[in-house]
Amino acid sequence: QQQVKQSPQSLIVQKGGISIINCAYENTAFDYFPWYQQFPGKGPALLIAIRPDVSEKKEGRFTISFNKSAKQFSLHIMDSQPGDSATYFCAASKKAGANSKLTFGKGITLSVRP
Amino acid sequence: DAGVTQSPTHLIKTRGQQVTLRCSPKSGHDTVSWYQQALGQGPQFIFQYYEEEERQRGNFPDRFSGHQFPNYSSELNVNALLLGDSALYLCASSLTGGVYGYTFGSGTRLTVV
Repeated sequence: QQQVKQSPQSLIVQKGGISIINCAYENTAFDYFPWYQQFPGKGPALLIAIRPDVSEKKEGRFTISFNKSAKQFSLHIMDSQPGDSATYFCAASKKAGANSKLTFGKGITLSVRP
Repeated sequence: DAGVTQSPTHLIKTRGQQVTLRCSPKSGHDTVSWYQQALGQGPQFIFQYYEEEERQRGNFPDRFSGHQFPNYSSELNVNALLLGDSALYLCASSLTGGVYGYTFGSGTRLTVV
């Protein structure tokens, strides 16, 4: 049973465009929703995260939009750059402050064409 | 300030053998969590160590075991290796068992032949 589902499976965007990655979750007990970026040969690195009491959070070119009723959240990358080409994972956790773990989606590969 | 350090970076083992992977957490972190990342998949939670005890465990068999030392570093042991154990093993460190500020290492690539 996959608790966190990502779409699309892969994405190709032109330089300067907007990349949008979606994530749906099933467990309403989740209370922390991070996005991770992973380059080949490296571990995942935290990009941005949101709590369910906020509908949107922006950090630089990265924005998370959160829809609690639909149990969905998305990552928007504005002005996409070739250096953004990587694998992106959404994740979710409950009781994120202690005795918690992350449940990851399968990831999507983003390619930004010059 | 060193991040999470994992060793070795790559490892090749034969089916049935045993393997030990090591992790040193980020300075100031006291919790280590281990994840398995199969090719083309997201990381899957194996277990978490905090205060030298296993606090949580994912859906992995008892062949997977671990340990945390007083300096917060950790080991992951896998016995009776199967071909399906081939994966990238990631260590993440954090504070007091939480996931806020999770910092991942670059992982150990284990290949079982």
